[in-house]
Amino acid sequence: GAGVSQSPSNKVTEKGKDVELRCDPISGHTALYWYRQSLGQGLEFLIYFQGNSAPDKSGLPSDRFSAERTGGSVSTLTIQRTQQEDSAVYLCASGWTGAADTQYFGPGTRLTVL
Amino acid sequence: EDKVVQSPLSLVVHEGDTVTLNCSYEVTNFRSLLWYKQEKKAPTFLFMLTSSGIEKKSGRLSSILDKKELFSILNITATQTGDSAVYLCAVNNQGGKLIFGQGTELSVKP
Repeated sequence: GAGVSQSPSNKVTEKGKDVELRCDPISGHTALYWYRQSLGQGLEFLIYFQGNSAPDKSGLPSDRFSAERTGGSVSTLTIQRTQQEDSAVYLCASGWTGAADTQYFGPGTRLTVL
Repeated sequence: EDKVVQSPLSLVVHEGDTVTLNCSYEVTNFRSLLWYKQEKKAPTFLFMLTSSGIEKKSGRLSSILDKKELFSILNITATQTGDSAVYLCAVNNQGGKLIFGQGTELSVKP
């Protein structure tokens, strides 16, 4: 039951293809976050799931990006019609709702769009 | 717009030196400030600060928050090569999500 896990660790795809990135949060954590980190940049917030509430999607950069969280646990981030500028490390984090300040990060998925 | 700014962006020191990393912020509804250490991929949690003037300490690392001047510092004493990493500062603005600075890349030379 260790930490947050993500898969795949690396993904290379061709421009225009769809990709799905998976996040398994720490068991019992009710809050789940997706961030993106481009080369040499800080982390950019994408989307936040908190318990059964509607997710905060305010960070999604375009409608090609979507995410869902099934059964309050596993989450999938989907990027449709990938573009080269989508290349980045996608990080997932989880925490406890209400005390969600401390977020525990997974190892990330490095996405390369050719 | 909420923002977090870290300085310097990069720093090279020698083992045994003491370093101070800076983080300033502008957020509308401050809840907490967090420091993370990032080696390779996953950021690992270091400190969470919510109150001004109370130092948090863990071994050779310490951090303090000034909510009046809107900044925090992270100190590392007697640096070691294993301290080489990117140090990230983030602020929680009560919306749940974290707003991150650009990070400070610290390189400790033997």
